[in-house]
Amino acid sequence: GNSVTQMEGPVTLSEEAFLTINCTYTATGYPSLFWYVQYPGEGLQLLLKATKADDKGSNKGFEATYRKETTSFHLEKGSVQVSDSAVYFCALSDLGAGGTSYGKLTFGQGTILTVHP
Amino acid sequence: NAGVTQTPKFQVLKTGQSMTLQCAQDMNHEYMSWYRQDPGMGLRLIHYSVGAGITDQGEVPNGYNVSRSTTEDFPLRLLSAAPSQTSVYFCASSSLLDRGIGNTIYFGEGSWLTVV
Repeated sequence: GNSVTQMEGPVTLSEEAFLTINCTYTATGYPSLFWYVQYPGEGLQLLLKATKADDKGSNKGFEATYRKETTSFHLEKGSVQVSDSAVYFCALSDLGAGGTSYGKLTFGQGTILTVHP
Repeated sequence: NAGVTQTPKFQVLKTGQSMTLQCAQDMNHEYMSWYRQDPGMGLRLIHYSVGAGITDQGEVPNGYNVSRSTTEDFPLRLLSAAPSQTSVYFCASSSLLDRGIGNTIYFGEGSWLTVV
């Protein structure tokens, strides 16, 4: 079956530090990969996605590259801000019949990021 | 600008009670699903639907029922609440219009449920 493994947290950084959150996956097909962010007390928001190997997703200064050879989709940001404090989820969506994902996501366990001033 | 709307946001139940979590989306999405979020376990799929009248089980369906009588609504029913169902529940929807992989999945703001 499909699975997603994220680096264990929590992660605590000072403002302007470099961020990496590791994510590796196991999938039987050719998944799409996602990073979702959950700010305190809120639901999940899509941060970025990549749909095929070597694609780079980017948004709000965050980047992640779909690496098929290492089955990884690590999240990076060059300079974090206090407002980036949140829980980050790596997820994959595998293709169902007809080439659609049917809205089914497999999530990693989440990584709590805290950024101090 | 509603998107995916879940109610209630907070609920406390006694063991054995039943209740329904409501979910509605106004984006005409074919696909809707329910997840539960537990500490250290990410989100796990409970049930999903690919269209009105069609539902199927996800990873953790036991103790929950769903129905999809309209495109807009996808309620989740807890038949006899148990403490193990204390969790945060998220409804999600997505469209087929992206034609396959990578279609964006939109989440509601979550429902915090405590069973005592």
